Amino acid sequence: AQSVTQLGSHVSVSEGALVLLRCNYSSSVPPYLFWYVQYPNQGLQLLLKYTTGATLVKGINGFEAEFKKSETSFHLTKPSAHMSDAAEYFCAVSDANNFNKFYFGSGTKLNVKP
Amino acid sequence: NAGVMQNPRHLVRRRGQEARLRCSPMKGHSHVYWYRQLPEEGLKFMVYLQKENIIDESGMPKERFSAEFPKEGPSILRIQQVVRGDSAAYFCASSPPRQGSGYTFGSGTRLTVV
Repeated sequence: AQSVTQLGSHVSVSEGALVLLRCNYSSSVPPYLFWYVQYPNQGLQLLLKYTTGATLVKGINGFEAEFKKSETSFHLTKPSAHMSDAAEYFCAVSDANNFNKFYFGSGTKLNVKP
Repeated sequence: NAGVMQNPRHLVRRRGQEARLRCSPMKGHSHVYWYRQLPEEGLKFMVYLQKENIIDESGMPKERFSAEFPKEGPSILRIQQVVRGDSAAYFCASSPPRQGSGYTFGSGTRLTVV
């Protein structure tokens, strides 16, 4: 089974500052990779995904992530944080044998200070 | 184009009762997944279903939990004889057959066992 590690359960940034949320996974087989965002009392919304091709992936709301196979990482970034970005973010990785089955990290809560 | 519909949004059950959680996938999606989210934790995979078939139930507790996705009607996650430890948010997601599509999540059912 895959394991997904999100470093930092809470991250706090100032409005306008760079957002960096880290995700590392364990797999020798390049998986499919996803970032989801969850607002309070809601379901998860897909931010972006990597399947094949370009390793720098752009998503909604100005977020992007880069797949680095050598580092088994898929960190999420945004150049300038907005108050509306405050939410919980989950990294997900597909199973090596079943690409429709995902493993989720434990989540990172992003706080944006005015 | 309705998204993934889960009901009820909130469910309160006394210990020993049965809980039934329903999920209607997005139109055109034939794959359904159930995940459980405990407080302060990420999502844990429970079961993956297609119409009338359980594809992967490796995350389902061995007792009291069952899931189905009949030919007609929604997918049902059933928890018999609930205990306090079953209190959690249960999320359903659906996807089309194409691998790597990512999930569309419902808003979840928050089960409270009293």
